[in-house]
Amino acid sequence: DAGVIQSPRHEVTEMGQEVTLRCKPISGHDYLFWYRQTMMRGLELLIYFNNNVPIDDSGMPEDRFSAKMPNASFSTLKIQPSEPRDSAVYFCASSLGQGNEKLFFGSGTQLSVL
Amino acid sequence: SQQGEEDPQALSIQEGENATMNCSYKTSINNLQWYRQNSGRGLVHLILIRSNEREKHSGRLRVTLDTSKKSSSLLITASRAADTASYFCATPSRGIIQGAQKLVFGQGTRLTINP
Repeated sequence: DAGVIQSPRHEVTEMGQEVTLRCKPISGHDYLFWYRQTMMRGLELLIYFNNNVPIDDSGMPEDRFSAKMPNASFSTLKIQPSEPRDSAVYFCASSLGQGNEKLFFGSGTQLSVL
Repeated sequence: SQQGEEDPQALSIQEGENATMNCSYKTSINNLQWYRQNSGRGLVHLILIRSNEREKHSGRLRVTLDTSKKSSSLLITASRAADTASYFCATPSRGIIQGAQKLVFGQGTRLTINP
């Protein structure tokens, strides 16, 4: 298996633009997580899905952030409009079974909002 | 909400020495996990220890769990330059949906192995 695949690897955009991050989980995994990592706040859970259904989005910072999982093999995290404080590394992870079991992480998307 | 906290924040040792990192958490858990993150990469799962286990080994890694003290330690023996990375503990935390748990990570320990 290729593991969790995220794209793009790097994204540089200007403030106010829409940003879409993509994730393909490991086949057969029924949990998908979006995390954000910054030096100041560490690794924060934004939202997670179970069987394509959003379970907990309490970590989504504000309405500018939205996430979807239209099918078992694809998820997107969208920021509209983007702001400089959104600059961070965004990770997608998936797991098999319960949401508190072993996570497999993608390589992340380094987002820079200028 | 932050569940696990690692200590120390940074650790620098010589190659061949042992490295010990600690994690403390606040609420009851059913498992605790350790992850490694190399610079610019995603996190990689190292080991999971369940609440009914006191110690677990994997190669040069040894993890202990003391549920009475709500703490865990990760020991890396005979360290190598390739062990240079950040190490995170992760614990389940109840989410907004009853019965659902999510994994919450600490701030990590930055380990540097000097050749």
